[in-house]
Amino acid sequence: SQKIEQNSEALNIQEGKTATLTCNYTNYSPAYLQWYRQDPGRGPVFLLLIRENEKEKRKERLKVTFDTTLKQSLFHITASQPADSATYLCALGGGATNKLIFGTGTLLAVQP
Amino acid sequence: EAGVVQSPRYKIIEKKQPVAFWCNPISGHNTLYWYLQNLGQGPELLIRYENEEAVDDSQLPKDRFSAERLKGVDSTLKIQPAELGDSAVYLCASSWGSGRAEQFFGPGTRLTVL
Repeated sequence: SQKIEQNSEALNIQEGKTATLTCNYTNYSPAYLQWYRQDPGRGPVFLLLIRENEKEKRKERLKVTFDTTLKQSLFHITASQPADSATYLCALGGGATNKLIFGTGTLLAVQP
Repeated sequence: EAGVVQSPRYKIIEKKQPVAFWCNPISGHNTLYWYLQNLGQGPELLIRYENEEAVDDSQLPKDRFSAERLKGVDSTLKIQPAELGDSAVYLCASSWGSGRAEQFFGPGTRLTVL
């Protein structure tokens, strides 16, 4: 069955450093991948979409890569700030059902 | 512009009682989703509507869950009867189109079944 893995442990980094979050998947060939941010008590908020034929996508301090050979996406936040602290979810889409399948999320904590 | 509105935000009920959640999507969004999110997990799709039609309800436990989207706008998700294992956050989302379209989520309803 389809499986999406994100870092189960929280990622703690120092303010100003680059945070790198990983999303690995198996038994799936997604047509696209999305990243969402979720704060406690709130719904997820869309950040970026990357298609299977794209290697990299950038938006301000965010960068996403998509390697369909490795079946992996990396999500980078450069010059991280305490306000970036949240849970980040990757979600894969496409296929016969054309629905999003979410990973479990990674909790990022940026220390001042 | 208002985002996706959900009510109630919190609900505590005894097992075997019925419960209903309401969602008002962003104006103009034709696709509406209901997700279930357990603690420490990502959202899991329960049902997706395109306008008034339920196009994907394969993960909806139809023995106790039901949903409707009258007139292709607001939607209601109902559980009857509720079980202890139904305790979770129920998220509603909407989008213009489906597939790779960006989804806008509401704040969710946190359900506790005692």
